[in-house]
Amino acid sequence: QSVLTQPPSASGTPGQRVIISCSGSSSNIGSNTVNWYQQLPGTAPKLLIYSNNQRPSGVPDRFSGSKSGTSASLAISGLQSEDEADYYCAAWDDSVNVLFGGGTKLAVL
Amino acid sequence: EVQLVQSGAEVKKPGESLKISCKGSGYSFSTYWIGWVRQMPGKGLEWMGVIYPGDSDTRFSPSFQGQVSISADKAISTAYLQWSSLKASDTAMYYCAISTSGSYSRFDYWGQGTLVTVSS
Repeated sequence: QSVLTQPPSASGTPGQRVIISCSGSSSNIGSNTVNWYQQLPGTAPKLLIYSNNQRPSGVPDRFSGSKSGTSASLAISGLQSEDEADYYCAAWDDSVNVLFGGGTKLAVL
Repeated sequence: EVQLVQSGAEVKKPGESLKISCKGSGYSFSTYWIGWVRQMPGKGLEWMGVIYPGDSDTRFSPSFQGQVSISADKAISTAYLQWSSLKASDTAMYYCAISTSGSYSRFDYWGQGTLVTVSS
């Protein structure tokens, strides 16, 4: 049972903006940076956002991250069909090392 | 080009031992932390632990401490995840990944995964 809480599902239509939340506590998100991963069906995860809001080279600027207090968010604007995937937040926790969120399955309708 | 190539799928019986591997190339193997992540069927990602190949310093999630061992052979740029006695509940996909920043939660490059099936 993850202590980084994400909604199990999210959806949007092409072109829309979708936000996925990740809620934690003072021992993880509240005091450490958040990273986001995208896992396309049947593939390995891929780093999407690091250090709360930084994009690795090659990640479109449609993807953005933010953090406030003990919560973080991933925003996807201009939603495309290829964005249909599972999304995970991750952060160091002072007591248990690294935590992943439970994951959010994004459907593009 | 950074690459992590994992060993192939395994089918084992409960109680058997297993060692799976992750070979790195395209970077200085000894200088980046390598981690292992479990994904049980239809479930999310779980951080298992990391190793620094330069000195074999290892950190584990409390959930996996004592359940698995992590090692690395820098001479052949390969990290390992090992079980001494498998259980059915170890059935999962296992990914290796590296952190170029030193942050254990930021994995920049991932292997393709090794599927481990434990069944009698």
